[in-house]
Amino acid sequence: NAGVTQTPKFRVLKTGQSMTLLCAQDMNHEYMYWYRQDPGMGLRLIHYSVGEGTTAKGEVPDGYNVSRLKKQNFLLGLESAAPSQTSVYFCASSMDNTKHEQYFGPGTRLTVT
Amino acid sequence: GENVEQHPSTLSVQEGDSAVIKCTYSDSASNYFPWYKQELGKRPQLIIDIRSNVGEKKDQRIAVTLNKTAKHFSLHITETQPEDSAVYFCAASRGNYQLIWGAGTKLIIKP
Repeated sequence: NAGVTQTPKFRVLKTGQSMTLLCAQDMNHEYMYWYRQDPGMGLRLIHYSVGEGTTAKGEVPDGYNVSRLKKQNFLLGLESAAPSQTSVYFCASSMDNTKHEQYFGPGTRLTVT
Repeated sequence: GENVEQHPSTLSVQEGDSAVIKCTYSDSASNYFPWYKQELGKRPQLIIDIRSNVGEKKDQRIAVTLNKTAKHFSLHITETQPEDSAVYFCAASRGNYQLIWGAGTKLIIKP
């Protein structure tokens, strides 16, 4: 039981490049989330999903897209990376609306030069 | 919009003393309040949570109190130890799916 996993762990991009971050969970959780974490700003929600095939915008969605084609996977895409997207990205999942605890992945450190 | 304010941003206490971190929230519909601990370079992990029908909850050296009228909740750590050094985040539920997060408190335990 691996919990929540993320790939890659680290990545350096040049401005304008694209990439996809992959999140996978093996706990059969309905809800999945993508956050970014910047110093002194806590966790900010980018996008989330309440079930397979559904996605919704969070607090800071601009510049990102997501997809949830399979229940266990939640992908975060950056179509044209900008230096302002340099951050640590965390994926999280929770069971459903009766159990709110969110389980986090190990994070992806992304640097955009 | 809804927000969660967390204070202090940094807290330094002597080993063995108590530490208290406070959060206030704005959404009166919030009914779930977790606290997460994040060690350096690691992922956030839940350490304790409380629901709105409870005023206090304890788990060994940590406790959380909730005042719904005043819309604030606090984390209390007693007999602090070096391994308590970390960043602590509070959060409040928003609807059925989301959590609104505080900005974090860096707790430093001095030997």
